[in-house]
Amino acid sequence: AQSVSQHNHHVILSEAASLELGCNYSYGGTVNLFWYVQYPGQHLQLLLKYFSGDPLVKGIKGFEAEFIKSKFSFNLRKPSVQWSDTAEYFCAVNVRGRDDKIIFGKGTRLHILP
Amino acid sequence: EAGVAQSPRYKIIEKRQSVAFWCNPISGHATLYWYQQILGQGPKLLIQFQNNGVVDDSQLPKDRFSAERLKGVDSTLKIQPAKLEDSAVYLCASSVVEAHYNEQFFGPGTRLTVL
Repeated sequence: AQSVSQHNHHVILSEAASLELGCNYSYGGTVNLFWYVQYPGQHLQLLLKYFSGDPLVKGIKGFEAEFIKSKFSFNLRKPSVQWSDTAEYFCAVNVRGRDDKIIFGKGTRLHILP
Repeated sequence: EAGVAQSPRYKIIEKRQSVAFWCNPISGHATLYWYQQILGQGPKLLIQFQNNGVVDDSQLPKDRFSAERLKGVDSTLKIQPAKLEDSAVYLCASSVVEAHYNEQFFGPGTRLTVL
């Protein structure tokens, strides 16, 4: 069955540190990949998405993610985090052509120390 | 542009009681989704509508959960009777067309506590 794994459940960093959140999925077919973010007290919102083309995608607020097909990975990165990046981050995968279902990972809670 | 609206924001009920949640998607969005998010987990799709038709309800516990979208706009999700394990946040999302071509926009969710 299709699954999405986020390796870190809780990450604590200081401001200006670099960030990388891991995401791996289990399905070998053609996939669409997403990162969603939920800031405290706010709705889930799309951070970035990959459908095709350049495997390095850039999203809002300086975030980027790289799709590595051979590793079934879509890791999220930011070179220098800010206190305002404190939030929960969800990786999600949709298998193209199979159905429209999006499978979410369990999420990574990121806490940035000022 | 108004976002996805949900009500109520919070609900506390006792087990075996019934509860209903309401969602109003973004205007013009044909696809509507209901998700269940249990504490510590990611959202899990319960049901997906395309206009007023059901596209996927494979993960909806149909013995107690039901959902409808009669006019292809608003939707309601009902639980009858509720169990303790139904305690979760229920999220509604909408998109213009199928999810893999467009992003899903999420509402604020309804936090349900079953005692």
